[in-house]
This record gives sequence, structure tokens and C-alpha cells, in this order.
Amino acid sequence: EAQVTQNPRYLITVTGKKLTVTCSQNMNHEYMSWYRQDPGLGLRQIYYSMNVEVTDKGDVPEGYKVSRKEKRNFPLILESPSPNQTSLYFCATKGGAGANVLTFGAGSRLTVL
Amino acid sequence: SQQGEEDPQALSIQEGENATMNCSYKTSINNLQWYRQNSGRGLVHLILIRSNEREKHSGRLRVTLDTSKKSSSLLITASRAADTASYFCATDGGPESNFGNEKLTFGTGTRLTIIP
Repeated sequence: EAQVTQNPRYLITVTGKKLTVTCSQNMNHEYMSWYRQDPGLGLRQIYYSMNVEVTDKGDVPEGYKVSRKEKRNFPLILESPSPNQTSLYFCATKGGAGANVLTFGAGSRLTVL
Repeated sequence: SQQGEEDPQALSIQEGENATMNCSYKTSINNLQWYRQNSGRGLVHLILIRSNEREKHSGRLRVTLDTSKKSSSLLITASRAADTASYFCATDGGPESNFGNEKLTFGTGTRLTIIP
């Protein structure tokens, strides 16, 4: 079954404590992306990756880092989280026959105190 | 920046009625998509309509696209309680964009509630 798996699903942390949200896909897609969702603002793209070792900024990249060392994984790194990064985060991928259709993970709800 | 804006922000209807949601966007597109999101869960793709198409059907879903008005509508016929969700339109960058098909921009969504 085609899947995008995010971990953790829920996390409460404190300001400044580095954390990583992992994302893994089993569809062998080249394209992966991270979004954050906030009330009234919809989904906003943080970073995306067109392929291994190819990443680029989305609309709201400040405070985030990503890496793409292998095709299946695209972790989102918060080096020094702040309360304004409290949000619902989604990883997504697209490719293959449905080339422009995104498949989303289940989401990671992050709270930064 | 928000490319798509859905209207209304929230909609409540009786089960069995039809639900119509609208999406307006600002720049040219290659295609427009609609996604559904159950509360706090990941988005699920519903339907894609290309810029050279005017109408598309999938089951109880009907999508229209008017590129001259830069707008789209999603109609759900014979609504069911299970249709309760948020619905988002998403647009790509279009032929004039540096990103082309690669970047999808989502609107803020319509929250649909079906009353049993």
C-alpha cells in the first residue's frame, strides 16, 4: 500500500530544544514536500525536494531545515523551535502516474511551549 | 502567498442536499485540484481538472473551471454525513511560473458540515 509515514504524530516540546520530524514514502517518488497548516492560513509550503540532494525553499522556510540523503526520506528539522512554530505539519509526495497529485502523510501536531 | 481562496469559509447543509464550494485564484494555471481533509488528518486528493477542461465528474463530485474568471466550483450531490470535512482547492504555478507544475498552492478551505 502506498504510504507516507510521519513521526512523531504528536509532540510537545520547549523553546530551543532541537527536534526532527521524520517522513518516509514507499512510492519511489522523486518529489517530496513539507507543509504547515494553521487556522485561517491554510497550508503553506515550507520546503520541497525534487530529488536526492536537491532541496529548495517554499513560502515559509524560516526556522526550518531539511535534508534529502535518500529518495524515501525527507526529515524536517527545527534547530531551535519557537512558539510560532506550533502547528500541524504535513509531509507529501507526488510522482508516477498521478504526476501532479499529492499524497499526504497523516500529519504531525507540534506544540512548542 | 495564497493562490486559491475558497468560498464560503463554512457551510452547513442537511443530509441529502447538494453542497457547492467555490475557489478563486489569481494567476494562470495548468490545472486545479480539490482535496478533502477530515478533521486534523492528511489531505486526500479528490479530483483534478486541467486548464483546457470546463467540467469534470467523479461519482457524486462535479467540478467546473472557468479560466476567464479564474474560478472553480466543487459540487457534491446528495450529501452524506461522511462528507463532513474541509475542502481545499490547489493550483499549480501555470505556464508563466518558474515552478510550472511543481508547486501546488492551497487555499484556506471550506469547512462543510452535513447535518443528519
